[in-house]
Amino acid sequence: QKEVEQNSGPLSVPEGAIASLNCTYSDRGSQSFFWYRQYSGKSPELIMSIYSNGDKEDGRFTAQLNKASQYVSLLIRDSQPSDSATYLCAVDNFGNEKLTFGTGTRLTIIP
Amino acid sequence: DTAVSQTPKYLVTQMGNDKSIKCEQNLGHDTMYWYKQDSKKFLKIMFSYNNKELIINETVPNRFSPKSPDKAHLNLHINSLELGDSAVYFCASSQRQGFETQYFGPGTRLLVL
Repeated sequence: QKEVEQNSGPLSVPEGAIASLNCTYSDRGSQSFFWYRQYSGKSPELIMSIYSNGDKEDGRFTAQLNKASQYVSLLIRDSQPSDSATYLCAVDNFGNEKLTFGTGTRLTIIP
Repeated sequence: DTAVSQTPKYLVTQMGNDKSIKCEQNLGHDTMYWYKQDSKKFLKIMFSYNNKELIINETVPNRFSPKSPDKAHLNLHINSLELGDSAVYFCASSQRQGFETQYFGPGTRLLVL
């Protein structure tokens, strides 16, 4: 069983709409959760980190964490073509000292 | 100034050769990592070092040998390259181990022929 699962997509969203990206994880001991964005041919860059249940907002991005259900999501409001990229969910685990990445969701914003 | 840099950016080589990839970070971070990203974009950790000490050594063939001469540098040497080693290798760093943001280098695209 994969430790971190994401829908690989592609996910197509019209410009200006809300893009919703989901991630589930298997280890209940996980403490820290990250969303990275990776443009084609580029390296991953951090968008959001979240550590406690609930919502965390940063500009057009909102991360949501539900530890009981073991899922974390990323909402992108007012989607722009520049948001088109692969979004990687990453989960840390206390005592494990490593990030486990999901396989990523490819998001395409349609003008 | 580039925070995490890697050289070379591209590496094309024959099977059986030995090659090295170098990584440097100027962020003053204690922890550095090597990741491998395959053709399906799956990003998987290979090694991590904290203050020059090996912390994580995932199930990686012993043809791969990391070396950290100081905490700002982490190099990766690969012996007897195989076709399956073709991938993008990313170096990353974080302030310290654990729940820390990781900053990635630009990647080294390795193609083994």
